[in-house]
Amino acid sequence: AQSVTQLGSHVSVSEGALVLLRCNYSSSVPPYLFWYVQYPNQGLQLLLKYTTGATLVKGINGFEAEFKKSETSFHLTKPSAHMSDAAEYFCAVSSGSARQLTFGSGTQLTVLP
Amino acid sequence: GAGVSQSPSNKVTEKGKDVELRCDPISGHTALYWYRQSLGQGLEFLIYFQGNSAPDKSGLPSDRFSAERTGGSVSTLTIQRTQQEDSAVYLCASSFPGLAQETQYFGPGTRLLVL
Repeated sequence: AQSVTQLGSHVSVSEGALVLLRCNYSSSVPPYLFWYVQYPNQGLQLLLKYTTGATLVKGINGFEAEFKKSETSFHLTKPSAHMSDAAEYFCAVSSGSARQLTFGSGTQLTVLP
Repeated sequence: GAGVSQSPSNKVTEKGKDVELRCDPISGHTALYWYRQSLGQGLEFLIYFQGNSAPDKSGLPSDRFSAERTGGSVSTLTIQRTQQEDSAVYLCASSFPGLAQETQYFGPGTRLLVL
């Protein structure tokens, strides 16, 4: 079985400040980890993913995430928030035995001017 | 190229009626997934099609829900005798070749409201 926990359903940051969205996972087999972003009334768009290899993954729009097996974490960061980053962010996990994505409950990011 | 498309974008129906939701995956994508997004339950997996293999129906919440995929392309999700708790956004995604590490590309969703 696999699961994802996102700490903080709502996060607010000032424009230009560091963005940190937390994600912890549980998986009995090596996981594949994803971050998706959802803008209002739109589908999900992939930001980045970890499959194998380098544990620091860079994605679109300046986001990156680091896979830490010992901490079972895959936190999403961005050095400097932009107003356009305001959206809902979902962490998800899949594995070789479960190809569907299991999502966390999402984090709504608000960027304050 | 064209992304995943879904129709209708919005659907309002009365309790007890049947509804059909359509998904057109990205051309050439062999895997197709349906998910449901609701306020109370978040994003939930419903069903997964991979090529000509039998679908993985393990996420379907009840026997009122069914889905088919014709010709390995278009998929239809059918909800019979709709209930108010079926109100949600239904998202379709596709990928190639359908391995767990592949990116799933999502459509814009169908927003279903059951009155």
